[in-house]
Parts: sequence; C-alpha cells; structure tokens
Amino acid sequence: AQSVSQHNHHVILSEAASLELGCNYSYGGTVNLFWYVQYPGQHLQLLLKYFSGDPLVKGIKGFEAEFIKSKFSFNLRKPSVQWSDTAEYFCAVTPAAGNKLTFGGGTRVLVKP
Amino acid sequence: DTEVTQTPKHLVMGMTNKKSLKCEQHMGHRAMYWYKQKAKKPPELMFVYSYEKLSINESVPSRFSPECPNSSLLNLHLHALQPEDSALYLCASSQDHREVYEQYFGPGTRLTVT
Repeated sequence: AQSVSQHNHHVILSEAASLELGCNYSYGGTVNLFWYVQYPGQHLQLLLKYFSGDPLVKGIKGFEAEFIKSKFSFNLRKPSVQWSDTAEYFCAVTPAAGNKLTFGGGTRVLVKP
Repeated sequence: DTEVTQTPKHLVMGMTNKKSLKCEQHMGHRAMYWYKQKAKKPPELMFVYSYEKLSINESVPSRFSPECPNSSLLNLHLHALQPEDSALYLCASSQDHREVYEQYFGPGTRLTVT
C-alpha cells in the first residue's frame, strides 16, 4: 500500500516570501502525484498533477512541483506567496493503474499580509 | 460544469437516527467516491463506485451504506452511527476509476453525531 508524508504541519510566512512544501511517498511501483489545496471554507481543488514526462510541473496560481524519482519526492513551490494562498495543502498519490487517492497529512499555510 | 454538489451542508443526528447524504455531478463522470475527513486530518477513502457498481469498500463499518442509483447520483445512508463518526464527508467524481483522472470534490457534508 502507498503512503504519503508531508514534513511540515504548519508554515507561517509573510507575503512575497517563497514557499516550498515537502512531500515524500512510499510505494513499490509507478505512481501518479497530485497537490490539492483547500482554502478556508472551500472544497478541495487540484493545484497540479504529474503523470509522466517533464518532472517539473506547473499548476494554477503560480505553483509548480518537481518530481524527483530517486528521492520519492514531489515538493511544491511558489516563488512569491500572497495572502490569498492561506490554505491547507495536501499531497496525494495514486498507483499507475487505478484512481485510489492516498493523501498526506496536509500542511497548513498561513500567509501574513 | 465542473461542480460536484452535496446535500445537506450540515447534519446533526442522534445515534438511533437514519439519515442519508446525497451527492450529484453532471460531468458525465463514471466514477464516484466517498471520503471521510476528520478535523485537521487528510481525507480518507471510504467507497468507490465505478459505472454504478461498488468497486472499493475500504473496510467501512456496515452502519455506512453507499448507493449509486444512477451515474449522476451517489448516496450514503447512515444508521446507528457513533459520536466518533462525526466528520466532514466528501464526495468526489472522476471520468473513470480504472485510469488516473483528476478527482473533483464537492464541498462536503459536516456531520455531527450526538
């Protein structure tokens, strides 16, 4: 069975600071990787996904993530955050076949204006 | 339309009550999912329906009973729940379950069991 770990439970930063959230997964085969975001009071939304190809993936709202297969990692980055990026961020994986999502524990990000 | 709707938004029920949660999507998706999300925890998969048939049951207690009346609707029937079942119940859908497609999530039903 796959598992996902997110290193930071809470991150606090100021506007314009850079953001990097760590995600590592454990699975014996090929995986597909996702980052979802949950803004306060809103439903889960997909930020970006990696299935294959270029390991540097660009998503919505200026986010990007890099898949490093040798490190089993899929870290999320944003060069300059805004107050509106305050949210909870979830890394998730599925095996190559099938669509059974396993989520990491989530990282709560607070951006101070 | 990329929306998954869920009703009700909030539900309070006693341990002897029977209630149902409803989920609807009109994206033509053939896979639908129920997740449970406890406070400050990630969503955990409960059930997967693929082409209106139950495909995955993640060892969920029988007091939770899913139903898929048609390809657009997904219900979760609740009976004899426990206070520890209080959580946010999320519905999601995707184009298919057999391949990897983005899952679209609804806003959830916040359930409180008293």
